[in-house]
Amino acid sequence: DGGITQSPKYLFRKEGQNVTLSCEQNLNHDAMYWYRQDPGQGLRLIYYSQIVNDFQKGDIAEGYSVSREKKESFPLTVTSAQKNPTAFYLCASSAGGRSNQPQHFGDGTRLSIL
Amino acid sequence: AQKVTQAQTEISVVEKEDVTLDCVYETRDTTYYLFWYKQPPSGELVFLIRRNSFDEQNEISGRYSWNFQKSTSSFNFTITASQVVDSAVYFCALSEARTGANNLFFGTGTRLTVIP
Repeated sequence: DGGITQSPKYLFRKEGQNVTLSCEQNLNHDAMYWYRQDPGQGLRLIYYSQIVNDFQKGDIAEGYSVSREKKESFPLTVTSAQKNPTAFYLCASSAGGRSNQPQHFGDGTRLSIL
Repeated sequence: AQKVTQAQTEISVVEKEDVTLDCVYETRDTTYYLFWYKQPPSGELVFLIRRNSFDEQNEISGRYSWNFQKSTSSFNFTITASQVVDSAVYFCALSEARTGANNLFFGTGTRLTVIP
């Protein structure tokens, strides 16, 4: 089945630690996205990538980093610089970066601080 | 300024009742796209519908229907004969042609609870 796989489902971070969230898609989509969701809020864009080896900052990129070495993979690292990392993280992809392309989402990773 | 407003934070209905979820948007673009997503308790967002700014035809898909009115900048979503499986958080979102899909503006969501 085509889709987006995020792992792990739950993740715990210690103080000063970097953690990496995995996102893999087999939809052959060019564009991929990372969002952060906090309780009672909509989704906020962290980073996006329209093509391999290229990515751009979204609205809340500080304290996060990404890479896009392969079309199907877009991992997100939450660095120790992100002081409030507890949130639900959603990865998405779309066939292209045009505004009419719907984004398709993974199941999410819930990150908490130990 | 908020580009997408979902004023209803939470709604509860009894099974088989109809329910309408409101969405009001704001844009200066003449070409834009509106979306509805469903987020069940499992967490993933499920794409429901896309509407472009040039097509004001209402759409019906089974028990779901959408009413797009440019005059009031609204894109409301109605569930007819609600079922317990409809319980979820529903998000309305806006994408503008000039900024591309990279800027998908989400509302804050409406949590729908259908009581059996």
